[in-house]
Amino acid sequence: ETGVTQSPTHLIKTRGQQVTLRCSSQSGHNTVSWYQQALGQGPQFIFQYYREEENGRGNFPPRFSGLQFPNYSSELNVNALELDDSALYLCASSPDRGLTDTQYFGPGTRLTVL
Amino acid sequence: GQQLNQSPQSMFIQEGEDVSMNCTSSSIFNTWLWYKQDPGEGPVLLIALYKAGELTSNGRLTAQFGITRKDSFLNISASIPSDVGIYFCAGQPQQGGSEKLVFGKGTKLTVNP
Repeated sequence: ETGVTQSPTHLIKTRGQQVTLRCSSQSGHNTVSWYQQALGQGPQFIFQYYREEENGRGNFPPRFSGLQFPNYSSELNVNALELDDSALYLCASSPDRGLTDTQYFGPGTRLTVL
Repeated sequence: GQQLNQSPQSMFIQEGEDVSMNCTSSSIFNTWLWYKQDPGEGPVLLIALYKAGELTSNGRLTAQFGITRKDSFLNISASIPSDVGIYFCAGQPQQGGSEKLVFGKGTKLTVNP
């Protein structure tokens, strides 16, 4: 039990649609990172938010965007969904940026794009 | 995207056997981490390594940070059925302003009782 929750657990969308995934961080954690994990692959870093500002981004297009709120919740938004966006999306929270060894992952949201 | 080379891809062992897996990279990493992921769960941190040459243990798990900063290994001794899962290495690059982690593709471990 990491204290990090994500919703929904599973989601099915069609190509071209938009989706919002949600994450609730541990209380007091001001940093949240989002990862995409395709089937049979390791997680890939999408971006990180620190105190509601983007603090680094991986190799993902602008249609992947995020928000972080003062109440330790955050969102990942994906526009114009493509089939290759089908994956497990993980969020991970930590007490401060740079503290990767105290980064706790949520259980993920499984997104299927048809 | 960038990924580490993790091997083996999968392992089938008998309970009580020792296990070894490793990760290599063409780039230098500042930190090496080893995670375990169970079905339906996010990765859980097992061991974190911060210095080249560092050898760290966590119960039956032992991991080392390679001298060149480009590799790391994880050993599991006397495996038990609950060791089943997917093990990932992850590295934090030395360069760059973000704190992103780069993950390997994972080693799927099956333990036969």
